[in-house]
Amino acid sequence: EADIYQTPRYLVIGTGKKITLECSQTMGHDKMYWYQQDPGMELHLIHYSYGVNSTEKGDLSSESTVSRIRTEHFPLTLESARPSHTSQYLCASRKDRGDTEAFFGQGTRLTVV
Amino acid sequence: GESVGLHLPTLSVQEGDNSIINCAYSNSASDYFIWYKQESGKGPQFIIDIRSNMDKRQGQRVTVLLNKTVKHLSLQIAATQPGDSAVYFCAELNNAGGTSYGKLTFGQGTILTVHP
Repeated sequence: EADIYQTPRYLVIGTGKKITLECSQTMGHDKMYWYQQDPGMELHLIHYSYGVNSTEKGDLSSESTVSRIRTEHFPLTLESARPSHTSQYLCASRKDRGDTEAFFGQGTRLTVV
Repeated sequence: GESVGLHLPTLSVQEGDNSIINCAYSNSASDYFIWYKQESGKGPQFIIDIRSNMDKRQGQRVTVLLNKTVKHLSLQIAATQPGDSAVYFCAELNNAGGTSYGKLTFGQGTILTVHP
């Protein structure tokens, strides 16, 4: 069982609200990732980090931002939620350079009304 | 909300058959190619990887083949079981450095359904 946790599991929020999706891992992994996935669809990389104070944008344009102040914590923030942000957000972590196995959290299902 | 991307292709097999799942990748500079399995309501789970300088790797009941000439990756599952029913994604990892160092991207998945 992977030690990576996402909160909340489900979130329904009104348009225009600011939200932060939390992701924490206790495995000491350097690499962390955020993906967006709709049901029955592909996984799209929106942000990643290869260590503390490093963050990069992924391939999918996103209005979200991330931070990596501590190794174990990689929160994702939406400054102003819109219905188009409705989706599932998956966080993952990976140990280091030679380790290809990423461990995923249970996901946060976000609905913006 | 607005759906992002494409709907996934499907593959249906009978229990005991061998399954072959295919993937076309885009980045020739990727160092590793990886297969993940995603069951309903869960995050993807690692199955097997292959380094870019290899063309075949075998695991327990699974084999991954890499054809760099045509940028093609396949996953073969021997004696497929109902528990193998899931969505299978290929992924690419850049471990070499540069601007995309550490980047892990997923390709199009395939929905595998195994009938008893």
